[in-house]
Order: sequence, then structure tokens, then C-alpha cells
Amino acid sequence: NAGVTQTPKFQVLKTGQSMTLQCAQDMNHNSMYWYRQDPGMGLRLIYYSASEGTTDKGEVPNGYNVSRLNKREFSLRLESAAPSQTSVYFCASLRDRAGDQPQHFGDGTRLSIL
Amino acid sequence: SQQGEEDPQALSIQEGENATMNCSYKTSINNLQWYRQNSGRGLVHLILIRSNEREKHSGRLRVTLDTSKKSSSLLITASRAADTASYFCATRSNYQLIWGAGTKLIIKP
Repeated sequence: NAGVTQTPKFQVLKTGQSMTLQCAQDMNHNSMYWYRQDPGMGLRLIYYSASEGTTDKGEVPNGYNVSRLNKREFSLRLESAAPSQTSVYFCASLRDRAGDQPQHFGDGTRLSIL
Repeated sequence: SQQGEEDPQALSIQEGENATMNCSYKTSINNLQWYRQNSGRGLVHLILIRSNEREKHSGRLRVTLDTSKKSSSLLITASRAADTASYFCATRSNYQLIWGAGTKLIIKP
């Protein structure tokens, strides 16, 4: 049982390059989330998908786009990477956002923008 | 903007001692959750306490919630080296979790 799987684990980009971070969950969860984690700060929500077919902006969506490809997969795209987007990115899933369940996290993608 | 604030930012104790971390928040909540993050890994859920609960236990963990003071505490008893990690509180308001900046706990052997 893999849980939440994120790829890649590490990536270095040059300013202006684009890339897509992949996330997949095998728990049949309805909701999925993308966060960024910066030193000395808690997680900040970038985008989320409450259910298949829907996506919504979080606290810090600028510079990012997302796709809920199907129930399992939720990708995060940086169209034109900027140094301010250097961070650790976490994907999480939740069975049902209306209930009292915990979020399940992947191990993160460590992204450096030069 | 971040809702939760953990205190202290860092805590270093001897193995076997108890560790207490505090979390304060700003708005009304549905529940409050505590997560652990080991270095280089994702967050792992530890315990959830609902807004109508005051105390909850899980193994060596004890969580309290005071909604009048908008605060929570996490107590880890009889600490072990494996407890070395960062601990985060997250408050659920409506359908989103809002996270604190975390407490870094170091257990010295």
C-alpha cells in the first residue's frame, strides 16, 4: 500500500523553465491538495481538488496551475519557474473533506530554481 | 495567512523526559490536528481533537484543547530518540487545514 506517491523527489530548474510535479494516491480518496513548505513556516496551500473534476485556489496560487487528471492523480505545473518558487512541495489526500479524517502526505518534491 | 502558532519553536530534552508543545490559533475551528514530520519526509498524522472535546489520549500522546483560549497542547511522555522530529498543529475551519510553523523537537540520548 503506497499511499501518496510524488515524483520527482528532487529537481533543479533554471529560471523560466517549466515542469510538472506528479502526485498519485491509491486510497480512493476524494480530495487532494498541493502545499509548499518553506523554512520556518508551516504548510501553505497552493491549490486543492475537493473531488474529481473540481479544483480551487488556495492561499498562494500565483505562478502555479493544477490538473485533477482522475480520482488518483493531481498534478502541479510551474509554467515559468522563478527563484521564489524554490521550496519543498507536498501533495496530500483526504478521504472526504466533510468528515473528521486526517490528511495523508507524500514525501515531497524538493525543488530548486536557479 | 497562518492561523496556528506553535510554541516553542525548538525544544531539546533528555530521553525519558516529557515534551510539551503548544499551539495557538485565531478563529473558530471544527477540529485541531497534530502531525509529525521526520527530516526529509512527509507529515504523518498523530491525533485529532474535535472542537467539543477537551482532552484526548493516544499511547504516549496527550492532547488538550481550550477553545476559550484558542489553544492546544501536545504532551509526549517518556520521550524516545525516535520522537526527534518537527511537530505541527493544523486547525480545520470549514474545509481547509491551516498550519502552524511547527516545533522542532530534539531528544538527546
